[in-house]
Formats: sequence, structure tokens, C-alpha cells
Amino acid sequence: EVQLQQSGAELGKPGTSVKLSCKVSGYNIRNTYMHWVNQRPGKGLEWIGRIDPANGNTIYAEKFKSKATLTADTSSNTAYMQLSQLKSDDTAIYFCAIGPGPAYWGQGTLVTVSS
Amino acid sequence: DVVLTQTPPTLSATIGQSVSISCRSSQSLLHSNGNTYLNWLLQRPGQPPQLLIYLVSRLESGVPNRFSGSGSGTDFTLKISGVEAEDLGVYYCVQSTHAPTFGSGTKLEIK
Repeated sequence: EVQLQQSGAELGKPGTSVKLSCKVSGYNIRNTYMHWVNQRPGKGLEWIGRIDPANGNTIYAEKFKSKATLTADTSSNTAYMQLSQLKSDDTAIYFCAIGPGPAYWGQGTLVTVSS
Repeated sequence: DVVLTQTPPTLSATIGQSVSISCRSSQSLLHSNGNTYLNWLLQRPGQPPQLLIYLVSRLESGVPNRFSGSGSGTDFTLKISGVEAEDLGVYYCVQSTHAPTFGSGTKLEIK
């Protein structure tokens, strides 16, 4: 069974950074792209970017190019997303997802930005 | 960016009713490799999204066959033939022919 286990909720102050993790079991992340998606409160889904864990290549949506940094550790089958210079409108649930579709999703990590 | 326009934004259906959701793209989603990377997701309340349909019309494993997808180029449709109570939630189309983008969502309510 494929499972994506995301790290716990984060509370960050404006101007700081947070780093989220997504540990995959049942699927070798070398064989797929890892996507990150956000969902602001009461809003729809928004694609942030994706990483190819096999070689570290990344593609970002234009609006997230200076906000998100995606990395992956194939030895632990885990992907990471760092969000920098946090602002109040970064408050959202952040999902990781893999596989064609994507077919497999993590449960989401709530990031709350507040002073 | 490719813009996906979903209609209607909300849908109210009775159990057993058949409904359709439209997803129109601002650009053709036909990839140079011949595939069309248009998928449908369902997000139930408080849950992560779930893949229903991929490559326009292919049913994801474990998804009931009352769900079906069709379309080509820029116009796509998700049909639910006989809505059940568990189908409530928000439906999204998503394309990955170009840099991925999601539709704005269609909320299905059960009367």
C-alpha cells in the first residue's frame, strides 16, 4: 500500500521559513515526480511545483519560484518543501502527491502564519 | 499558464440522478506524444483529493464505474451516472500536458 506521511502542523511568524516533509512508503520516489499543492482556507487547489527525486530537477509555478524550494532524499524516500519569507497569505494546507494523476496524496500539513 | 474553467461551480443532485461537470481549457491539452493529460479529482470534506479519472477517460483502480470522463482538445466532461451520497464533495479537473493547473472546482451537494 502506498502511503505519504506528511509532517505536523506548523506555526510560523511572518518573515521566517518552515520546512515540510513528506515520507513515502510502498513506492520508490526515484520512479516518479513529487508534486506539492496548496489549498488556502476555503479555496481550491493550487500547484506549487514538482521535483524529480532521481536527479533533483525542479519546476515551479511562476508565483512560487521565490517562495518554495523543493528537495528530496532518495535514501529515506522523503521529499521536502521549504517555504521562505512567510506572509499571512501563505496560511494554507500543503499537500504532497506522487504518481500519474497524481494518484497518491499525503494527508496535508497546515501552515499558519501569524505573529 | 493554462486556465481550466469548470462549470457549474455548484451542483445539487438527488440520489440516483445523473450529473455532468464541464472543464474547458484555454489551450489544447493534446501532448506531442499523443496523450491528453487531463484528470479528475474528488476532494471530500476534510480529506485530501482522490484521483477518479486520468488521461481523460481512464478509470482509476477502485473507483466506481458510475464515474466516466470524456472529451478532447480543450473540452472535457465528467459524468456521474447515478449519484450516491458518498459522492458529495468538490470535483477538480487538473491538466499536466503543460505546467500543471487545476480547475476552480465544482461542489456537489446532495439534496
